[in-house]
Amino acid sequence: ILNVEQSPQSLHVQEGDSTNFTCSFPSSNFYALHWYRWETAKSPEALFVMTLNGDEKKKGRISATLNTKEGYSYLYIKGSQPEDSATYLCAKERGSQGNLIFGKGTKLSVKP
Amino acid sequence: EPEVTQTPSHQVTQMGQEVILRCVPISNHLYFYWYRQILGQKVEFLVSFYNNEISEKSEIFDDQFSVERPDGSNFTLKIRSTKLEDSAMYFCASVHVRTGVPGELFFGEGSRLTVL
Repeated sequence: ILNVEQSPQSLHVQEGDSTNFTCSFPSSNFYALHWYRWETAKSPEALFVMTLNGDEKKKGRISATLNTKEGYSYLYIKGSQPEDSATYLCAKERGSQGNLIFGKGTKLSVKP
Repeated sequence: EPEVTQTPSHQVTQMGQEVILRCVPISNHLYFYWYRQILGQKVEFLVSFYNNEISEKSEIFDDQFSVERPDGSNFTLKIRSTKLEDSAMYFCASVHVRTGVPGELFFGEGSRLTVL
């Protein structure tokens, strides 16, 4: 894997459904993996920053896992709500300077 | 809650003109960044800035680009002679302290630049 890739590109779910997205990244030169939530016309908002292989983090109904050896991270949303509708970006941080390499994002739409 | 603010929210300019995009990072933050997103593409790193100097820059950040922190609160991105391909959403970001533990970046809402 040469770039940060996210799948799926977009996702439409019903309110109450649980869902998950994938972020794949090159495992070399790994410093940290960031997840951001980006609503239209707003600023991207940090969800998680993870560094260690096997890391699991949780914030309310949203959780994330990290596998640095194989180069992937999963983001889970339990019981999706319409307010979860946003683009979810993952980014690999290569060094300590805040240089993030972003994926294209997964656009989530949650229908009431 | 403290936030990163950017101005203008949208700027339209003619090719070859100079543009300055302004950012006010969160007040106790020490590291500052510019990123951009060309429509339909990924968000890309441009430059990081610490202690009044550039700490890292990407290949995109050529001689046409410059950054400055003129007065201790503003952080500006200047494009000297804009090209059509500079049309993008430009994001400013800041982070408190880089102490060897990665921290989340705080982003502004972006400045959309349209070059005609």
